[in-house]
Amino acid sequence: GEDVEQSLFLSVREGDSSVINCTYTDSSSTYLYWYKQEPGAGLQLLTYIFSNMDMKQDQRLTVLLNKKDKHLSLRIADTQTGDSAIYFCAEKPGNTGKLIFGQGTTLQVKP
Amino acid sequence: DGGITQSPKYLFRKEGQNVTLSCEQNLNHDAMYWYRQDPGQGLRLIYYSQIVNDFQKGDIAEGYSVSREKKESFPLTVTSAQKNPTAFYLCASRQTSGTSTDTQYFGPGTRLTVL
Repeated sequence: GEDVEQSLFLSVREGDSSVINCTYTDSSSTYLYWYKQEPGAGLQLLTYIFSNMDMKQDQRLTVLLNKKDKHLSLRIADTQTGDSAIYFCAEKPGNTGKLIFGQGTTLQVKP
Repeated sequence: DGGITQSPKYLFRKEGQNVTLSCEQNLNHDAMYWYRQDPGQGLRLIYYSQIVNDFQKGDIAEGYSVSREKKESFPLTVTSAQKNPTAFYLCASRQTSGTSTDTQYFGPGTRLTVL
């Protein structure tokens, strides 16, 4: 079946790197996404990676994809207090128009 | 100013009343989606529509209804049959043609509280 798992909470110090992990189950997923949600707001797309890529870097964000283990990670370099939010991993299985979301990881950044 | 708008931001209703949440997009996207978010949980799909005048049930459609009469609009009605309607509701849209990355873009959400 389709399932996406994330750890629920991560706490880091300002300036450190944050690594948020995600596992998914559908090997036919073509795209995998990371979204950010600030309190009371909608989801903001951070980045995505195509399933035939291993890594994607975008400024402070690095996405690593291990397709064999169905493992996705988001690394945020030099984490700032403004990065405090909930981060959602999502996969798009096959030819469906649907996304499957993880439960979200709450990132707490301490000054 | 392109994007997805949802209104109202906060909505209060009495138990037993139907209520309709608005979602409008001017991105010319073909597909639109409704999700429900409860505290500490991920998003659960209620309904989605990939083309005008057509829509499909998601994972938790019971107690909800939708319509898609125009490409820009996808209103969601929360009926009195929905057992626990208090939640944060998110609308999204997606481009389905061209060089789409199948990314869904989200509106700001509507927080519904049933008293």
